[in-house]
Amino acid sequence: QAVVTQEPSLTVSPGGTVTLTCASSTGAVTSDYSPNWFQQKPGQPPRALIYGTAITHSWTPARFSGSLLGGKAALTLSGVQPEDEADYYCVLHYGGVPEFGGGTKLTVL
Amino acid sequence: EVQLVESGRGLVQPGGSLKLSCAASGFTFSRHWMHWVRQVPGKGLVRISAIKGDGSFTWYADSVQGRFTISRDNANSALYLQMNSLRVEDTAVYYCVRGTVGIAGFDYWGQGAQVTVSS
Repeated sequence: QAVVTQEPSLTVSPGGTVTLTCASSTGAVTSDYSPNWFQQKPGQPPRALIYGTAITHSWTPARFSGSLLGGKAALTLSGVQPEDEADYYCVLHYGGVPEFGGGTKLTVL
Repeated sequence: EVQLVESGRGLVQPGGSLKLSCAASGFTFSRHWMHWVRQVPGKGLVRISAIKGDGSFTWYADSVQGRFTISRDNANSALYLQMNSLRVEDTAVYYCVRGTVGIAGFDYWGQGAQVTVSS
């Protein structure tokens, strides 16, 4: 079973830029893995941000973008807001079967 | 407006059974794969089951295979998860999740149903 790895925690200053990554134990992540990204705040369900590597949902703030970077899936937040403090989860699909990463706790400080 | 509303949460003893329901509205239910994803408090997310739009194909994680059954009623836009032989480690919040169309992924999530397995 593949393992999806994310940074356990990251800290960013308000107004700054931060990139979260999502790596696969099987090798380089490509668009075939259809990376998805989700944001979860305490006591709330996850909220979808990105699917298909870089496709945003209608509700996704423009400061969030997805890409492939150095063999990993990446989520970049540009112009971070205090309300972006949350846990972020990625999903990679292996033959159509989704595997979640362990999540990144993003602190805005 | 797309809505997914879970019901059936509760406390059950090990070895017991529970059935979760998810009422969907605001979209053509039969067009979408539907999923159950669970989250142990303070831990990550795990997809445990999925069902194709027409109900012709189902998938289960190894951890629930043979104990849980996913089903759907497209006429009433409802998703179900029958959970039998429950274990303490099944304690989690269970989310009903809609699959995206055309590209693998998830978009809308329900608020979640707490399932507690304890003696």
